[in-house]
Amino acid sequence: GQNIDQPTEMTATEGAIVQINCTYQTSGFNGLFWYQQHAGEAPTFLSYNVLDGLEEKGRFSSFLSRSKGYSYLLLKELQMKDSASYLCAGSYSGAGSYQLTFGKGTKLSVIP
Amino acid sequence: KAGVTQTPRYLIKTRGQQVTLSCSPISGHRSVSWYQQTPGQGLQFLFEYFSETQRNKGNFPGRFSGRQFSNSRSEMNVSTLELGDSALYLCASSLESSGRTDTQYFGPGTRLTVL
Repeated sequence: GQNIDQPTEMTATEGAIVQINCTYQTSGFNGLFWYQQHAGEAPTFLSYNVLDGLEEKGRFSSFLSRSKGYSYLLLKELQMKDSASYLCAGSYSGAGSYQLTFGKGTKLSVIP
Repeated sequence: KAGVTQTPRYLIKTRGQQVTLSCSPISGHRSVSWYQQTPGQGLQFLFEYFSETQRNKGNFPGRFSGRQFSNSRSEMNVSTLELGDSALYLCASSLESSGRTDTQYFGPGTRLTVL
């Protein structure tokens, strides 16, 4: 299968910057999604990277390096409401379509 | 536009029973995927349906099955429930444009507890 690896937990201070890393297998890889999931809620879409480089969307940015099988999600000016799990998901070629493989998620705790 | 809806939101069953979960995708979305989420394993892919056909399947036993109707609504069924089937079952829909990956949008999930 396609392994997606990301840290299990991270803690950061309100107002700071945090980077959540994700590594993935490159065989059959198409693109990389990041989702945010608050406890007891559904995952919500944050970003999708297909090309190498950094894409910025407000306080959140996502980076992709296809050759290294590496991505990161950068959260700036952390707020308490950013406490959530962040899911990295690779899109891989399947039988006639693309299939998402998720990492186990990184639980981010933002402390005052 | 209304989001993905799933029913029921919570379900309690006993071992050996069967259960059917329902998912209504975002209007216009033709692909529906199902995932099982547990604390230890994270989100695991069950299957994907498109135009009433199962197009991809994850590594789950045959007790897990699904179908899709002509209006893109989907159901999944789990027979002979086991304690380990206790999980959050998430449905996600996507537009499904040819030749590219479309963003999947998730429903609120069905929390299944097997006693």
